[in-house]
Amino acid sequence: DSGVTQTPKHLITATGQRVTLRCSPRSGDLSVYWYQQSLDQGLQFLIQYYNGEERAKGNILERFSAQQFPDLHSELNLSSLELGDSALYFCASSVEGRRNTDTQYFGPGTRLTVL
Amino acid sequence: AQKITQTQPGMFVQEKEAVTLDCTYDTSDQSYGLFWYKQPSSGEMIFLIYQGSYDEQNATEGRYSLNFQKARKSANLVISASQLGDSAMYFCAMGWGNRDDKIIFGKGTRLHILP
Repeated sequence: DSGVTQTPKHLITATGQRVTLRCSPRSGDLSVYWYQQSLDQGLQFLIQYYNGEERAKGNILERFSAQQFPDLHSELNLSSLELGDSALYFCASSVEGRRNTDTQYFGPGTRLTVL
Repeated sequence: AQKITQTQPGMFVQEKEAVTLDCTYDTSDQSYGLFWYKQPSSGEMIFLIYQGSYDEQNATEGRYSLNFQKARKSANLVISASQLGDSAMYFCAMGWGNRDDKIIFGKGTRLHILP
């Protein structure tokens, strides 16, 4: 158990809908990262937050947004869902994340299925 | 451009044998870190081992060791005395110490341990 929690574990929804994925980092970790893993694209970095502020942005679509709250938990919002958004979404956390040589510990993931 | 290459899409190894999973990387930065993660069929991403670019000794964690050859830009994972539970997908990843940027992942190697 990495100490990172993600809810829900599975999510099934329809095209056009909006969903929210939730992540709680390990105790003491200030940085949260979101990743998307799909069969065709592999593991793609979406976005990083450090202590409530956006720190780095990857291949995140405009339909997706995230935030990190004062208690350091984070939410990833996916809207206008398409079939191609079906994937495993990971949250990871690290102690600081000022430098990306800090080890990131991954949560168990949320498997999103868009029908 | 920064890149991680894992050239072995799949490997079959007899139980109790040692395994080497290849990883080469490309970066012009001097400060970086290399990571290996394991993803079993259950889906979670498990951190295995880390090597910093300035570390002179190869990293070891139990049965895992990282064969770091800086001049050749390779960071191979060695698993000694393989076990059936080692069957999984293995990802090599790289992050940088001196700038805000994402971690990038290789495409992974699927390891099958045969009884």
